[in-house]
Formats: sequence, structure tokens, C-alpha cells
Amino acid sequence: DAGITQSPRHKVTETGTPVTLRCHQTENHRYMYWYRQDPGHGLRLIHYSYGVKDTDKGEVSDGYSVSRSKTEDFLLTLESATSSQTSVYFCAIKAGLAGAGTGELFFGEGSRLTVL
Amino acid sequence: GESVGLHLPTLSVQEGDNSIINCAYSNSASDYFIWYKQESGKGPQFIIDIRSNMDKRQGQRVTVLLNKTVKHLSLQIAATQPGDSAVYFCAENPANAGNNRKLIWGLGTSLAVNP
Repeated sequence: DAGITQSPRHKVTETGTPVTLRCHQTENHRYMYWYRQDPGHGLRLIHYSYGVKDTDKGEVSDGYSVSRSKTEDFLLTLESATSSQTSVYFCAIKAGLAGAGTGELFFGEGSRLTVL
Repeated sequence: GESVGLHLPTLSVQEGDNSIINCAYSNSASDYFIWYKQESGKGPQFIIDIRSNMDKRQGQRVTVLLNKTVKHLSLQIAATQPGDSAVYFCAENPANAGNNRKLIWGLGTSLAVNP
């Protein structure tokens, strides 16, 4: 499982509340990703990181922010959760030394978020 | 193929038969392709990848075929087993997307293996 841990695994919250999801890895990989998965849309990239304090937006970054203050942790924050952010969120790390778009991705088990 | 609706295309096969899952990709400049398997309640898991300078690549019980002329990718699973039941995703890496490339994911195909 490449040492990836997501927390919390399940969360129910109310519209307008802040939510932070944590991804923790134990193998010192440089690249980390946050995806969301929804029926009919597949996996969509929210944000990714290519090093400590180095992050970039994915295709669905609106309403989300990330932080990477140390190699092992990549945090995804919803400043003010909306019902449209109800989804399953997956963290991933990239194996290999190539650029961010190549190489095998290892995924966490997912965090199911429900915004009421 | 890939579906834009809420219901995934489903392939149903008998245990022991071979399975072929298809994927049409969108970008003729894509130079790298990956297949992932996702079991219920779990994250996607890497199966096999192929670069655009290859037409075929084999792994353990799996083969990926790439037809660049028609932008088609397929995953063949030999002697399909109940443990192969999952959703299978193809992903492509556009070569013209710059250094920080991002994979483009298909919507998935559900494989159901009947005992």
C-alpha cells in the first residue's frame, strides 16, 4: 500500500463548515496528489504537490486548498464545505523518478465526505 | 468503451474465460497510458502501463494493446478469476501538457466475473 494513510476515512459535516483531510506517507515520495471520485466523472485531480511547499492546481481546484509543510503530509482543506463537495477523496503518491505525469500512482483507501 | 453517464459500462464474463476491456483515449499526442483496477471500497491499483512507442505489453495474466491509429487501448485478462471483479480505468498522459503533466482518466468499465 506504499505506506499511505488517509484520515478521516469517513466524515459527515454541514454546509459552511471547514474540513481538512490528511494524507500521510511513510516512504518519502516527492509527488503527492488529491483526487475526488464521483459517479459519471471518474477521478478528477484537485491539487498536487511536487515537494515541500510546492503545490499546483488540478482540474477541479475551486473551493479547495492544500498545504505541504513536510514531505510526509499533504493536507486538503475545504474552507467552507458545500453539498457539491460530497465525494470520495483519494490521496495518491507517485513512484519512480520521472515527471509528475508518468509512473505508477499508489492510492490511499479513500475518505468519504458527506456535506449536508 | 467509456461512458459519460452515471452507469458504468459493464462486462460480464464466465470464470476462466478471457476478458477484454476497451478504452478510447482522447489526445493523439498522449505518450503514456496506464490501466488501474479498483475494487469496491478501495483505492485504484496499478495494473500495467505502456508507452506510445510500443503496441503491446504483457504482464502477469494481463496484456495491454495500443492502437495509435484509432486511439484505442485495450486490456486483456487471461483466465479471468472472481478476484478480477472490479472497475477498470484507463488513463492517458498528454505529451503536450508540459513538465507537470496530469493524467486524464477514463470513466471506467465494471467487470463482473460469474462463477
